[in-house]
Amino acid sequence: AQRVTQPEKLLSVFKGAPVELKCNYSYSGSPELFWYVQYSRQRLQLLLRHISRESIKGFTADLNKGETSFHLKKPFAQEEDSAMYYCALQGGGTSYGKLTFGQGTILTVHP
Amino acid sequence: GAGVSQSPSNKVTEKGKDVELRCDPISGHTALYWYRQSLGQGLEFLIYFQGNSAPDKSGLPSDRFSAERTGGSVSTLTIQRTQQEDSAVYLCASSSSGGETQYFGPGTRLLVL
Repeated sequence: AQRVTQPEKLLSVFKGAPVELKCNYSYSGSPELFWYVQYSRQRLQLLLRHISRESIKGFTADLNKGETSFHLKKPFAQEEDSAMYYCALQGGGTSYGKLTFGQGTILTVHP
Repeated sequence: GAGVSQSPSNKVTEKGKDVELRCDPISGHTALYWYRQSLGQGLEFLIYFQGNSAPDKSGLPSDRFSAERTGGSVSTLTIQRTQQEDSAVYLCASSSSGGETQYFGPGTRLLVL
């Protein structure tokens, strides 16, 4: 079975401070991991995907297979980063493509 | 180009009635997914289509839920005899093929009174 855990429902930081959103996963195979973001009144959109190794909007995430984690980081948070963030895992087999999401973390960046 | 679209954007219905939710994927995308977003359960997978067939229906919560896809394009999610616990936002996503990046629609907000 695959599972994604985001331990923080709410996270508040001040503008310019570093931010880390935690994500841990459980999966027996080799996972494909994603971060999706949902800004207020907008649709869910991909923020980054671990295989692409890109930095989007200053965010990065490193897959740590030993700790089964995929934490999202940004060195200097901006007010426009305030949103709901979901970590997601994509499995294989007949469920190929199916995304399993964590519960989400609401990030608030204060001015 | 046009993204994933869903209709209606909002639907209010009475308990016991049937509802149909529609998804128009990005043109050329062969894979289509339905998810449900609710306060208590977060984002849950419902069903996955590859072309017109559904290799994974494991997330459908009961036999009141069904979905079809025709012409490898539009998909309809049908909920029969709606219950109050069906109230949620129903999201559709498509990708160029299974396993590729999924692009989400705006969702249909369903309220069952």
